[in-house]
Amino acid sequence: QSALTQPASVSGSPGQSITIPCTGTSSDIGVYYFVSWYQQHPGRAPKLIIYDVSNRPSGVSNRFSGSKSGNTASLTISGLQAEDEADYYCNSYTKTSTLVFGGGTKLTVL
Amino acid sequence: EVKLVESGGGLVEPGGSLRLSCAASGFTFSTYTMNWVRQAPGKGLEWVSSIGTSSASVYYADSVKGRFTISRDNAENSLYLQMNSLRAEDTAVYYCAKARVDGYKTGFDSWGQGILVTVSS
Repeated sequence: QSALTQPASVSGSPGQSITIPCTGTSSDIGVYYFVSWYQQHPGRAPKLIIYDVSNRPSGVSNRFSGSKSGNTASLTISGLQAEDEADYYCNSYTKTSTLVFGGGTKLTVL
Repeated sequence: EVKLVESGGGLVEPGGSLRLSCAASGFTFSTYTMNWVRQAPGKGLEWVSSIGTSSASVYYADSVKGRFTISRDNAENSLYLQMNSLRAEDTAVYYCAKARVDGYKTGFDSWGQGILVTVSS
């Protein structure tokens, strides 16, 4: 199972919105709504910020939103803040009953 | 408060074995699927394995199938990962993670601090 495809890096200025795409295949993102997103600050454990494509766990800011179209899922962060600077990973369930992560995207807040 | 604490990591030679443990507290351990995720130094996350509440359902990444065994002890609120035939590419920080629900498809909402496993001669 190959990793999902994410851009290595994205950047944005405070207050702006950014979108991180996550491209899979018809064996994962394309057929399931089991897409999650994680935020990881340096030296810290990952934190779940989106599950089942577009749902936010309790306590996660509504500035984070998720969507899916075809084989691509997307994470959008609106009203960028300095604290959003981190690595972001997408994850999907697959037809082979495994889970696959994306390679990760480093978000820089300019 | 959910708390997950990994232990058992360290340095091991190629071909060797290691058993990781994860002590859980702050939630009803027996009612949630539990998982292991690893991260090689400077690299991304990689799902390793998941185990259902009764241990009847276990799942593995292809990269560890046949070498790693996941298990749990609901009476002791503990999760384990027995790692055999270790390779250099297994070097990583290993995280214990709690699933949101009884199932591993919909996200992991609590994570331990991670434990480093280094495979080297």
